[in-house]
Amino acid sequence: QQQVKQSPQSLIVQKGGIPIINCAYENTAFDYFPWYQQFPGKGPALLIAIRPDVSEKKEGRFTISFNKSAKQFSLHIMDSQPGDSATYFCAASKETSGSRLTFGEGTQLTVNP
Amino acid sequence: KAGVTQTPRYLIKTRGQQVTLSCSPISGHRSVSWYQQTPGQGLQFLFEYFSETQRNKGNFPGRFSGRQFSNSRSEMNVSTLELGDSALYLCASSLASGGYGYTFGSGTRLTVV
Repeated sequence: QQQVKQSPQSLIVQKGGIPIINCAYENTAFDYFPWYQQFPGKGPALLIAIRPDVSEKKEGRFTISFNKSAKQFSLHIMDSQPGDSATYFCAASKETSGSRLTFGEGTQLTVNP
Repeated sequence: KAGVTQTPRYLIKTRGQQVTLSCSPISGHRSVSWYQQTPGQGLQFLFEYFSETQRNKGNFPGRFSGRQFSNSRSEMNVSTLELGDSALYLCASSLASGGYGYTFGSGTRLTVV
């Protein structure tokens, strides 16, 4: 019940394309859903996060879509750039003291020039 | 302000040895969590400390331990190292306990030979 399933494992798009990364969770107690971006040799960096009372959230070129009934959420990157090439992780947690983030398996995104 | 600092960045140890990794959180952050990242298992939660108390622990053997000091700095220790312990160990700090708003360090790359 603690799993978060992420797909695809890898994704290649052209510059300007809109890559979409999907995640599905099982635990309906989860109430915090962040996305992280990780470059080689660096730790994950928080990109954007959403709570289940909102169906969509935008921050710059990054958008999270959230479907509570389907227990799914996705990351869209608008006007993708080569500098967006990185590994993206979705995660979920129940925002209470002592909770932990459960991460998806990661998606390696390549944006070709 | 300074980010999360992990030392050392790289370590090579021999099977059977022990190792101690250090994490200095962002000033004012009282929660420190540790994660293990490997290509096969992804990001796995080790433990979380908040105000010097362990709040949560992941499914790792007792060889993995940690502690937090009064200045919020944290250390994790792995005893009797095994080849499978080779991984990137990531520390994340946040204001509150529970996985919200993590800032990750760049990690310590541990190689066990």
